[in-house]
Amino acid sequence: QSVLTQPPSVSAAPGQKVTISCSGSSSNIGNNYVSWYQQLPGTAPKLLIYDNNNRPSGIPDRISGSKSGTSATLGITGLQTGDEADYYCGTWDNSLSAGVFGGGTKLTVL
Amino acid sequence: QLQLQESGPGLVKPSETLSLTCTVSGASVSSSSYYWGWIRQPPGRGLEWIGVVYYSGRTYYNPSLNSRVTIFVDTSKNQFSLKLSSVTAADTAVYYCARLILTGPRTTIDSWGQGALVTVSS
Repeated sequence: QSVLTQPPSVSAAPGQKVTISCSGSSSNIGNNYVSWYQQLPGTAPKLLIYDNNNRPSGIPDRISGSKSGTSATLGITGLQTGDEADYYCGTWDNSLSAGVFGGGTKLTVL
Repeated sequence: QLQLQESGPGLVKPSETLSLTCTVSGASVSSSSYYWGWIRQPPGRGLEWIGVVYYSGRTYYNPSLNSRVTIFVDTSKNQFSLKLSSVTAADTAVYYCARLILTGPRTTIDSWGQGALVTVSS
């Protein structure tokens, strides 16, 4: 059971928009920044979003992040088949004094 | 260009100690700007935080693994290592080494190794 809660799967058609939620508590998301990671099949995860809503160099602006209270959301517009991957949210948990992840969300582009 | 490379046995017997090393190139493990850590992923499952180490030796571990895990840094070799004792089949996973930014409310994994599969079996 993961500390952060994500939907197991989401799907949408090419060109459409999708959002992935990440729910936590005051000990983690509520008082810390959230990062998002993309894991393409058979590869290591890659940083997509840091500090709730910032994109590293090379990440397109059709990828976005937001946070409100104890929840965070990843948004992807203009979906492409290459976006099919598992997506994970992560942050720090002040009660555990450790990092925590969501259980991951599998994105299918229909 | 930063590169992280995991190395170590791919097969460990139950009750023994899993040992992995991450060799860092393109950056120094002595940097005061970063932590260095380990994350694992059991087959077909999600990511699990194992722990991190700072160049000073300061560590933070997942409480569920705390009694079995040790992470340490070797600045002379620009490496950091993981030891997980008393392993069982539940410890079978791909183990990733990574570079992290841990500053105040910020926890960001900005670079990952390619991962190393470790199987626990007799």
